[in-house]
This record gives sequence, C-alpha cells and structure tokens, in this order.
Amino acid sequence: KAGVTQTPRYLIKTRGQQVTLSCSPISGHRSVSWYQQTPGQGLQFLFEYFSETQRNKGNFPGRFSGRQFSNSRSEMNVSTLELGDSALYLCASGRQTGAYEQYFGPGTRLTVT
Amino acid sequence: AQTVTQSQPEMSVQEAETVTLSCTYDTSESDYYLFWYKQPPSRQMILVIRQEAYKQQNATENRFSVNFQKAAKSFSLKISDSQLGDAAMYFCAYRRGSGSNYKLTFGKGTLLTVNP
Repeated sequence: KAGVTQTPRYLIKTRGQQVTLSCSPISGHRSVSWYQQTPGQGLQFLFEYFSETQRNKGNFPGRFSGRQFSNSRSEMNVSTLELGDSALYLCASGRQTGAYEQYFGPGTRLTVT
Repeated sequence: AQTVTQSQPEMSVQEAETVTLSCTYDTSESDYYLFWYKQPPSRQMILVIRQEAYKQQNATENRFSVNFQKAAKSFSLKISDSQLGDAAMYFCAYRRGSGSNYKLTFGKGTLLTVNP
C-alpha cells in the first residue's frame, strides 16, 4: 500500500507570495492533518480535515488555510508569505478507528526569501 | 492544555547497547494515547510504538519497548540492541482518546546518535 505523498518536496517563494501544498493520504484514510515543523517551535498542529470538513484548527493566523477533496486528498494554502513561514510542512493521514494512528508523509520544505 | 516534555535534547549509545529516552506529559484526561515517532535525517516521520492509557501492559515492538507510568505521567522508550539505523530524532506525542480532536501534541524531540 502506498504511503502518504506530498508535493512538491521543496519550494522557494518570496515574501508576499502565496503557496499551495498538496497531500495524498494512504488509501482508505479519510482524515488528513497538517503540521508545521521549525527548529524553534518544533512540531505544531495546523489543522485536520475529515470527510472534506475542517474538524480542528491550531493557533495559526488566517493566512493558513486548507481544504480536503472528496477523494481525501488535501491542500494547504499560505497567503502573503512571511519569512517566519519557512518550515517543513508535514501531512499525516489516519483511519478514524481505535488508536487512530497517524502516518506522515515526507514533508514539503518551504523556504521564504 | 496538554504538554509533552522531553528533557534530553541529545543522547548517544554504542551499537548493540541499550538506551532509554525519557518523556513526561501533563494532562487532566484519563483517556488518551501516547506515541513515539522517529524522524531520520531523511525527514520521514515514522511511527515506532503506541500505548493506550487504559492498558497497564507496556507496549513492545521488536527491539522497542516503553515504560508507561500513568500515575507519574511518564512514557519512556527503550531501544535494545541499538543499530546504526536507529540514529534519528525521536519525538514523544500525545493524543486525547475521546472527543473529535485528534491532533498530536509533540515534545521537542531527542536526537539519538548511535556510535559504531
């Protein structure tokens, strides 16, 4: 079974631009979560989608948004990029049963210059 | 709010020996799950082991085992017969067991070096 895939793997953007990141979950997983990883703040929860609905949101400004499609694929958008948005963005998918283990993709490394 | 603390920023171990990584957490809930994730230099986060809070028995996965002390809110990871491939950043994570909030709360991580 294929794992979680994220595209693109690397991205360089300029301040003020916007960016869209994509995540394809493991087949059969209907939940997708996004996390931001930085050296200073560590791993922080952005949001979670389940069946095309945002179920939970972390403490990030409104510039961060996302959506989920009917095939469970998810996209995350960051508008008006700031230097502080440079990070590794990780997507995780899970099956909403039992321990609800989440499986992570390889991440998208975003650099804002 | 739940918090997860990993007090050891870095640890090192000799190949074939045993190492224990520490994790403590703070929660007022009784139903929750705890996880250890491994993030090698390639960056792919890998689930190593999980523990359900309602289970008294410590989880074990091959060379990886946990020491779950619920009253002390402690959840340490023991790696036996360490291998070079175990070198990675290890994250302890918490997730509540009930309700609809499935977010993971992570510790800051412990960087494990394995010396040949």
